[in-house]
Amino acid sequence: EDKVVQSPLSLVVHEGDTVTLNCSYEVTNFRSLLWYKQEKKAPTFLFMLTSSGIEKKSGRLSSILDKKELSSILNITATQTGDSAIYLCAVEVTSYDKVIFGPGTSLSVIP
Amino acid sequence: DVKVTQSSRYLVKRTGEKVFLECVQDMDHENMFWYRQDPGLGLRLIYFSYDVKMKEKGDIPEGYSVSREKKERFSLILESASTNQTSMYLCASSSIISRVFYGYTFGSGTRLTVV
Repeated sequence: EDKVVQSPLSLVVHEGDTVTLNCSYEVTNFRSLLWYKQEKKAPTFLFMLTSSGIEKKSGRLSSILDKKELSSILNITATQTGDSAIYLCAVEVTSYDKVIFGPGTSLSVIP
Repeated sequence: DVKVTQSSRYLVKRTGEKVFLECVQDMDHENMFWYRQDPGLGLRLIYFSYDVKMKEKGDIPEGYSVSREKKERFSLILESASTNQTSMYLCASSSIISRVFYGYTFGSGTRLTVV
């Protein structure tokens, strides 16, 4: 059975801290790994990582895919209260863009 | 600005009622999905559709059905609502262009409470 696991499930940090969120997967026919940020409403797309693009960076956020270890990390440096959200990791597993989601990591950044 | 719109943000229904959740996208996407989101379980796929009048079961289809009569609209139906269907329901759409997946666009979600 295809599975995506995230750790930790919740995390509380102070503003300015650096955090690392983890995602590991066991799936057949891996195609891509995606990170989403979910605040009060709809998840918003952060990164897509594939075999041809294993590292992505946008501002204070960066992500790396380790295909050998079947895992990915999402780093957030100099955290701000606006980074407080649920971070979802997901893996695309078929040619019809079916996606398996992990349980999410709830990040709280306190002043 | 491209958008996926879910008709209701919050709904409260009684056990046994038939419930309709509506989702409309304006991006001409082929693919549409219904997920439910529960704490600690993440997003679980209920049903999806790759074309008009086409539907496929996801991982947890029991107690649900769907309808896609038009490309832009994908409806989730709870035939007889039960308390264990209390959840956040998220609609998403996506497009594959030249077999490259660009990720989902999500609606804002419908928080359904069945009492």
